[in-house]
Amino acid sequence: GAGVSQSPSNKVTEKGKDVELRCDPISGHTALYWYRQSLGQGLEFLIYFQGNSAPDKSGLPSDRFSAERTGGSVSTLTIQRTQQEDSAVYLCASSLRRGNTEAFFGQGTRLTVV
Amino acid sequence: RKEVEQDPGPFNVPEGATVAFNCTYSNSASQSFFWYRQDCRKEPKLLMSVYSSGNEDGRFTAQLNRASQYISLLIRDSKLSDSATYLCVAVGANNLFFGTGTRLTVIP
Repeated sequence: GAGVSQSPSNKVTEKGKDVELRCDPISGHTALYWYRQSLGQGLEFLIYFQGNSAPDKSGLPSDRFSAERTGGSVSTLTIQRTQQEDSAVYLCASSLRRGNTEAFFGQGTRLTVV
Repeated sequence: RKEVEQDPGPFNVPEGATVAFNCTYSNSASQSFFWYRQDCRKEPKLLMSVYSSGNEDGRFTAQLNRASQYISLLIRDSKLSDSATYLCVAVGANNLFFGTGTRLTVIP
């Protein structure tokens, strides 16, 4: 089937605006992760969803960031009042379940805040 | 201390060379480990899983040393197409802990 799908692929927004990034995981995958990657840097964990359990939000950098996952499938990452330092590639990954299974990434959303 | 530490490199090796990357992890409870490959401006892609007994996939060999808490990746007979950043991953309870990646450039 299809892989992890993210939209939009690119987003340019003005400082102070809100943005929504979407992730559609692989069908049947119960675990979903959001990461962000700044240019030339490693992956920074943001949030993790596992089935119907409460998400692990420990990586969200500020209260301007929030995410939800509706019906255990599609996830939306929302950034309010964007700042220039939010510019990065936002990557979503899903895996069959928590633990031993490998995760597959979407192609990411490249966010630029001007 | 980071959960996963990697030498960032860069490693510049000639075609045909053998190159090895190491990665250390801090959480002794981690049970699963992977190597990912990331090309410039692309998403990470799974390269291979890492098993305690060691595993091989063509020119690539991954090993896990639980006692010393390190993971290794060996690439034999390097190809130009192997040029990329290699990320090691340790699976935690609620997270995939990624190293910052080791950059490899294979030179003609």
